[in-house]
Amino acid sequence: EADIYQTPRYLVIGTGKKITLECSQTMGHDKMYWYQQDPGMELHLIHYSYGVNSTEKGDLSSESTVSRIRTEHFPLTLESARPSHTSQYLCASSEFARLETQYFGPGTRLLVL
Amino acid sequence: QKEVEQNSGPLSVPEGAIASLNCTYSDRGSQSFFWYRQYSGKSPELIMFIYSNGDKEDGRFTAQLNKASQYVSLLIRDSQPSDSATYLCAPRRAGSYQLTFGKGTKLSVIP
Repeated sequence: EADIYQTPRYLVIGTGKKITLECSQTMGHDKMYWYQQDPGMELHLIHYSYGVNSTEKGDLSSESTVSRIRTEHFPLTLESARPSHTSQYLCASSEFARLETQYFGPGTRLLVL
Repeated sequence: QKEVEQNSGPLSVPEGAIASLNCTYSDRGSQSFFWYRQYSGKSPELIMFIYSNGDKEDGRFTAQLNKASQYVSLLIRDSQPSDSATYLCAPRRAGSYQLTFGKGTKLSVIP
């Protein structure tokens, strides 16, 4: 069973604020991912990490940044939130031993006013 | 051409029937294929994956893969109203850890 957590689950914030979306997993997975998903649309990979101190940008350009200083923790930061950042953000993790099956956290719904 | 194509639906089936969900992909380097279920407003949850041509069964679910035709499908037997959700197909390229998600097919099981 996947144990991956995201906080907050819902966030309403004003334009220009700095926000950090938290993602933690207790499975010891080496790889972690951030996706963005708008209602009725496909998931788009915005960031990924293959291990500590390794981060890469995904296919969808994003103004967010990520860090990975601990295996279990992969936070996403927006320095200055804008209404265009309104979306659902999903965190996932995977490991080689399970054929890189990705397990998802519950997601964070972000609304920027 | 989109990398992963799924009929967006909605696909409506009566309770107890077989639901057939289809997915085509363009990347011939795709090696393994994952099916996820996503309830409205929730995150995707894994149903099953397949990497060999042919059929793979898991309970009421059967995944079918035909790499020559670049086609993968998911059959749900004895469909239940609780199966009503969007089903996402996600191929993974050989040598890559990343998944490419389709837009999903919305399934509605009518009691």
